[in-house]
Amino acid sequence: GAVVSQHPSWVICKSGTSVKIECRSLDFQATTMFWYRQFPKQSLMLMATSNEGSKATYEQGVEKDKFLINHASLTLSTLTVTSAHPEDSSFYICSARGRSGVETQYFGPGTRLLVL
Amino acid sequence: DAKTTQPPSMDCAEGRAANLPCNHSTISGNEYVYWYRQIHSQGPQYIIHGLKNNETNEMASLIITEDRKSSTLILPHATLRDTAVYYCIALLYNFNKFYFGSGTKLNVKP
Repeated sequence: GAVVSQHPSWVICKSGTSVKIECRSLDFQATTMFWYRQFPKQSLMLMATSNEGSKATYEQGVEKDKFLINHASLTLSTLTVTSAHPEDSSFYICSARGRSGVETQYFGPGTRLLVL
Repeated sequence: DAKTTQPPSMDCAEGRAANLPCNHSTISGNEYVYWYRQIHSQGPQYIIHGLKNNETNEMASLIITEDRKSSTLILPHATLRDTAVYYCIALLYNFNKFYFGSGTKLNVKP
């Protein structure tokens, strides 16, 4: 299957700093990428959808000014958590969807964020 | 998207078949059924999807009832590495968004 990578896999930061997470589709062009957040013992929660070259669309209740998403190319999307606080500590997962056919989403391995 | 209902947990003996049910009674004619699994602290892994015919690949089989109101994911010979949360999702052919439910925690025991 298609491969999606995320970087970094782990990040620890101080409260108030910003953290950028990269999501890359390694062997296919991703017209659409998605960002999810998962708290311990909970299911994945969709945060936003990003299409290459256009603004991301955010799910209800997700602050777009806090979670900045950029999808500048067909293989890269970034999520920046601005002014991170301890309550932003979570497991962030991206997925990517290709261009044609009955498309499946392929997920990255996730990034664990701990804000101190 | 159609709502899906899955049992919260199931046990299976190693080497035996694991049959994971999913109810999607409000599914529409052009909604596919997707199955993913998430092993602890990893991103979800695609398993299989189908529309109305049964499907099989190297990982699993998907059996969809004739009325499409439910489906079963079958892992033919479960191993300890199949211990994970399994998610059943119903959505339109080219619709973007996956909304994950609670899934079924499959515990494969020696």
